[in-house]
Amino acid sequence: EVQLVESGGGLVQPGGSLRLSCAASGFTFPDYWMSWLRQAPGKGLEWVANINQDGSEKYYVDSVKGRFTISRDNAKNSLYLQMNSLRGEDTAVYYCAKKGGTVNYWGQGTLVTVSS
Amino acid sequence: DIQMTQSPPTLSASVGDRVTITCRASQSISIWLAWHQQKPGKAPKLLIYGASNLESGVPSRFSASGSGTEFTLTISSLQPDDFATYYCQHYSGYPWTFGQGTKVEIK
Repeated sequence: EVQLVESGGGLVQPGGSLRLSCAASGFTFPDYWMSWLRQAPGKGLEWVANINQDGSEKYYVDSVKGRFTISRDNAKNSLYLQMNSLRGEDTAVYYCAKKGGTVNYWGQGTLVTVSS
Repeated sequence: DIQMTQSPPTLSASVGDRVTITCRASQSISIWLAWHQQKPGKAPKLLIYGASNLESGVPSRFSASGSGTEFTLTISSLQPDDFATYYCQHYSGYPWTFGQGTKVEIK
């Protein structure tokens, strides 16, 4: 059974940093692209970033380029999202997801709140 | 960026009803279209990929069609478990974008 467990969310001040982690199990993690997506409170879904199997290809939504970095550690079956220069509009539940053609399995999410 | 527009934003229906949700893309996305279901407080779940392919384990009362810029998701006989918000999403290049969602409510 596929399991994706996010951690690292919390309250952070504007301009601060946070690193999200996602522990994957139930599938061969190194074989798959992975994604981060988010959902602001009461709002719709937004794709944030994708990373390929060996970490050599990364794609980001424009609003996070230069501030967020997606990475992975295949030896640890883990996905990460380093978030710097956080803004109020980054407040959201962040979901780790496994990518087939598109996202085909979502984690349960971790809440990031950016506020002073 | 490709804009995805869903209609209606909200749909009120009864158990047993046939319901259809429409998604339009601002430019052609071929068949690179997915539908996700989200229940309150829960993570989304993939229902459909490739515009018309049912994800494993998804009930056959769900079906979808379309290509290019016009897509539909149909639930043939609405069940209590189907009351949720549905999102279309394109994956025809980056950035991936989602429709604003269609909330299916109990009438």
